[in-house]
Amino acid sequence: SQTIHQWPATLVQPVGSPLSLECTVEGTSNPNLYWYRQAAGRGLQLLFYSIGIDQISSEVPQNLSASRPQDRQFILSSKKLLLSDSGFYLCAWRGKQDSSGNTIYFGEGSWLTVV
Amino acid sequence: GENVEQHPSTLSVQEGDSAVIKCTYSDSASNYFPWYKQELGKGPQLIIDIRSNVGEKKDQRIAVTLNKTAKHFSLHITETQPEDSAVYFCAAGPGGYQKVTFGTGTKLQVIP
Repeated sequence: SQTIHQWPATLVQPVGSPLSLECTVEGTSNPNLYWYRQAAGRGLQLLFYSIGIDQISSEVPQNLSASRPQDRQFILSSKKLLLSDSGFYLCAWRGKQDSSGNTIYFGEGSWLTVV
Repeated sequence: GENVEQHPSTLSVQEGDSAVIKCTYSDSASNYFPWYKQELGKGPQLIIDIRSNVGEKKDQRIAVTLNKTAKHFSLHITETQPEDSAVYFCAAGPGGYQKVTFGTGTKLQVIP
């Protein structure tokens, strides 16, 4: 069965510091990968999605970036964090051949607090 | 692009009562409508989905209805239990591996 791992689960970072959140998927190949952000009490905002290695699309302008160095690895980064980057970050994956309608499966999320 | 609106933003019901959450979408090309449940501090999990060739789908106490003409779909939870308390998200998309757009979420509280 497929599983998705995301880490770290929580982190507190000072303003101006770098960020690296990592996500890996097991049990599937060539998935679509996504990074979402969820601000407190708000909905899911799509940040990046990837249909393959080194193929990244950005949905919103920001100081975050994403990379996909391997088929099942997706990394969210920042060189200098802003206070507004605080939130709950969710990695997700979706199969390209899914008879159930291409369900999106989410990781457990990473709580980021920028202080 | 697709725009999904979800109502209400918060909903409190007594245990055993029914809960209904409604969503509207704008893109007539959307044909896949999943619903997710998010418990506190966790990632959302799919609870039910429906395609545009079906008007209603049930899974035990959960049902989803779709009106493609009016571009709205709803989640119905019957005989609510305290463990149903969570945030629920609707979403809409064209299916395939294209993006889905999520609603803003409904916080459901079931009062014992």
